[in-house]
Amino acid sequence: GESVGLHLPTLSVQEGDNSIINCAYSNSASDYFIWYKQESGKGPQFIIDIRSNMDKRQGQRVTVLLNKTVKHLSLQIAATQPGDSAVYFCAENSPRGSQGNLIFGKGTKLSVKP
Amino acid sequence: GAGVSQSPSNKVTEKGKDVELRCDPISGHTALYWYRQRLGQGLEFLIYFQGNSAPDKSGLPSDRFSAERTGESVSTLTIQRTQQEDSAVYLCASSPGLAGVAYEQYFGPGTRLTVT
Repeated sequence: GESVGLHLPTLSVQEGDNSIINCAYSNSASDYFIWYKQESGKGPQFIIDIRSNMDKRQGQRVTVLLNKTVKHLSLQIAATQPGDSAVYFCAENSPRGSQGNLIFGKGTKLSVKP
Repeated sequence: GAGVSQSPSNKVTEKGKDVELRCDPISGHTALYWYRQRLGQGLEFLIYFQGNSAPDKSGLPSDRFSAERTGESVSTLTIQRTQQEDSAVYLCASSPGLAGVAYEQYFGPGTRLTVT
C-alpha cells in the first residue's frame, strides 16, 4: 500500500556539521512533497517543499533532493545549529483523490550536540 | 497575519465523556484538516474539508469521532464516549485548497487530550 517512511528514526550531529535526513515514498503517482519540522509541544512547521517536476530545491540553509527513480527524498541542513533540534517529517500528497491531503512519515528526531 | 488557532490547548477528561475540540483556520483557506498524533508518533489523518464538498472522513478511527465545519471557517472535532486510547495531540491544519494543486498545510499548535 501507499506509505511514506524514513530510513533513520534518530540522528545526532555535531553543531556546525551538515545533516541529512532521508525519506522513502512508495507511490510513484505522488507529485508533491514537503518537509516539516516539529519542535516539542508545537505543531509542525513548514520547511520546504518540492514538486515532482524538480529534483532539487534550495532554501535558507536547507536543500531538498528528490530522486523519482528510487522514490527517495532527502533534507539537507547546512551548518546545523542547536535550534535545528526537532523531529522532521516528510510528507507526500495523497493519491486517494482527496486533493491536498498529505501522508506523513513517522519522523526523524534530530539532536544537535554543542 | 494570524495563523491557525486551536482551543483548548489542553483538555483532561474522564473516560466515557464527550469532548469537543475547536479549530480556527487561516482566513481564506478553503481546505481544513484534522490529524491525530500519539506521543512520539507521526501524524494520523482523520478528516479533510474542502470548500462545500463532502468531507473526506476516511481517516476517522471509529463512529465515536465526528467533525463539522461551518462554511470555510471554524471546525469542531467531537469525540464521544472517550477512551484512554484517544489520548493524543489533535492537530488542525489549513491550506489555500486551490483545485487540482497540492499546497503546504499550515498547522495549529494542537490540543493535547488526556483521557483518565
